[in-house]
Amino acid sequence: EVQLVQSEAEVKKPGESLKISCKGSGYTFATYWIGWVRQVPGKGLEWMGIINPGDSDIRYSPSFQGQVTISADKSITTAYLQWNSLRASDTAIYYCAATKWVRGVFDHWGQGILVTVSS
Amino acid sequence: FMLTQPHSVSESPGKTVTISCTGSSGSIASNYVQWYQQRPGSAPTAVIYEDNQRPSGVPDRFSGSIDISSNSASLTITGLKTEDEADYYCQSYDTGIGVFGGGTKVTVL
Repeated sequence: EVQLVQSEAEVKKPGESLKISCKGSGYTFATYWIGWVRQVPGKGLEWMGIINPGDSDIRYSPSFQGQVTISADKSITTAYLQWNSLRASDTAIYYCAATKWVRGVFDHWGQGILVTVSS
Repeated sequence: FMLTQPHSVSESPGKTVTISCTGSSGSIASNYVQWYQQRPGSAPTAVIYEDNQRPSGVPDRFSGSIDISSNSASLTITGLKTEDEADYYCQSYDTGIGVFGGGTKVTVL
């Protein structure tokens, strides 16, 4: 069974850095692309970017390019989303999700991580 | 590239609702459209993929279609049940980058 388990909720101050994780299990990690989706509380879903853990091919939405960094370590079947300098507007739930091809449906989702950025 | 959905729809149990998802440019048929259901406090789950395919476990009350003439996709839920009350998002791709619609809240009266 494919499972994506995300790290715990985070509370950070503006300007701080953060790296959240998404660990895949139950499948060959390199065979699914891992995408990241943002959801500001009470708002809709936003497609941030996607990575192929097999060859580290990464695509970013123009809205998030340069704002976040997506990476993966296939040796520990984990994908990451990181910020160098958080802003209050980064407060949201972040989901990771897996798809078999770069333009495919997200078949499997993590439970989501609430990131709160507040002074 | 944007996908536009109605903000909300409501209907009584047993009835049918249809949610539209209109593409802003290009052809909606150029890339597959997916539909996700999100209940409060939960992660989204796919109810339709590749325009009109249902994932295993999704009841056949859910169906998807594409209308090239209006450059839109639609999700139809027949025999509406209270458990169908949720937010629904369409999603597609443009030049390899994903896009979600703004979401539609379905209320079962």
